[in-house]
Amino acid sequence: EPEVTQTPSHQVTQMGQEVILRCVPISNHLYFYWYRQILGQKVEFLVSFYNNEISEKSEIFDDQFSVERPDGSNFTLKIRSTKLEDSAMYFCASMHGTNSPLHFGNGTRLTVT
Amino acid sequence: AQRVTQPEKLLSVFKGAPVELKCNYSYSGSPELFWYVQYSRQRLQLLLRHISRESIKGFTADLNKGETSFHLKKPFAQEEDSAMYYCALSGHNYGQNFVFGPGTRLSVLP
Repeated sequence: EPEVTQTPSHQVTQMGQEVILRCVPISNHLYFYWYRQILGQKVEFLVSFYNNEISEKSEIFDDQFSVERPDGSNFTLKIRSTKLEDSAMYFCASMHGTNSPLHFGNGTRLTVT
Repeated sequence: AQRVTQPEKLLSVFKGAPVELKCNYSYSGSPELFWYVQYSRQRLQLLLRHISRESIKGFTADLNKGETSFHLKKPFAQEEDSAMYYCALSGHNYGQNFVFGPGTRLSVLP
């Protein structure tokens, strides 16, 4: 069964550094998402992406965050200047179409020191 | 606005006992409801969706539009069911996003 893949599985970075989290969604999916989960807390929506543009974003997704689908297969989340509170598990997800379930990747654990 | 509530943060039951994980939602239209499960250190996995009306790993969930609920049930809990369970809602709008409930940690005791 096809899966959403995310790399790296764990990223450690210093406060103020830029990080790029990478995702390869399932190939025939059209909707792409990033969620995050701070340790011990609930899954929080960050952004959705469809037709090469952001379709919705949450309050968390401020100017420090950006997403790209540079080549038709990768879907990246960039944090320009990381803060301690950005430490979390970041999940990428994709969906074939409306009324389809979300398929999640294994997540990238981001640790900001 | 879309909202999903799961009133129990933690639910502990003994092996073989029935289990019910509660989920209530608010949405102005006809939503899709899902249950996702997250085993320790693993990805979120789809467990159930209401339109498929199937039983997965012995779990079932019925959408009750009158009570706006989508409770997850299993008649006989197993230790391997211990995990975080998230109820989720999806609307039918362009640019939809899934709204997750806060999650319930199910602990099945031997």
